[in-house]
Amino acid sequence: QKEVEQDPGPLSVPEGAIVSLNCTYSNSAFQYFMWYRQYSRKGPELLMYTYSSGNKEDGRFTAQVDKSSKYISLFIRDSQPSDSATYLCAMSETGRRALTFGSGTRLQVQP
Amino acid sequence: NAGVTQTPKFQVLKTGQSMTLQCAQDMNHNSMYWYRQDPGMGLRLIYYSASEGTTDKGEVPNGYNVSRLNKREFSLRLESAAPSQTSVYFCASSDGDRFVRGYTFGSGTRLTVV
Repeated sequence: QKEVEQDPGPLSVPEGAIVSLNCTYSNSAFQYFMWYRQYSRKGPELLMYTYSSGNKEDGRFTAQVDKSSKYISLFIRDSQPSDSATYLCAMSETGRRALTFGSGTRLQVQP
Repeated sequence: NAGVTQTPKFQVLKTGQSMTLQCAQDMNHNSMYWYRQDPGMGLRLIYYSASEGTTDKGEVPNGYNVSRLNKREFSLRLESAAPSQTSVYFCASSDGDRFVRGYTFGSGTRLTVV
């Protein structure tokens, strides 16, 4: 079983929809949680990061962490065609230098 | 504002050939990483270097070697390429003191081994 599970999609939504992307994990020692966006044939870029449980908002993006359920989410409001990309979750333990990534969810926002 | 630069961008190798993937960063980051990305598998860590002069194995190190040449450069070598090493390779770097804020990735090297 992978440490981090993520539905590969693709997830197709109309422009303006609210998008919910999720990851589950098994390692209870994970403390840092990140979301990356990866456009086709590009390297991943960091969208948001959070420490431990709670919510964090940045513009149209909200990251949510529920450590009791080992479940993290990324919400995108008013989705745009430019949001079409693969979204990767990543997480790490305190003191552990390298990140563990989910396999990514491909999102398509239809105009 | 180059960030992380990887060369080459594309490469086709025959089974048994060797090659070195180059990576350089200009952000004065302490830590550097090599990942491979395969469909359905996500990003898997091959090797990393927490600081100049140190390297450590990641999840999938077999068949690879690395060199942290200096603070800026971290190379990945395939000594005898195999078809299973067909993948997209990403180099990344991070500020060692604040790794939690995430990596900066290069644009990747697409490697095909035939």
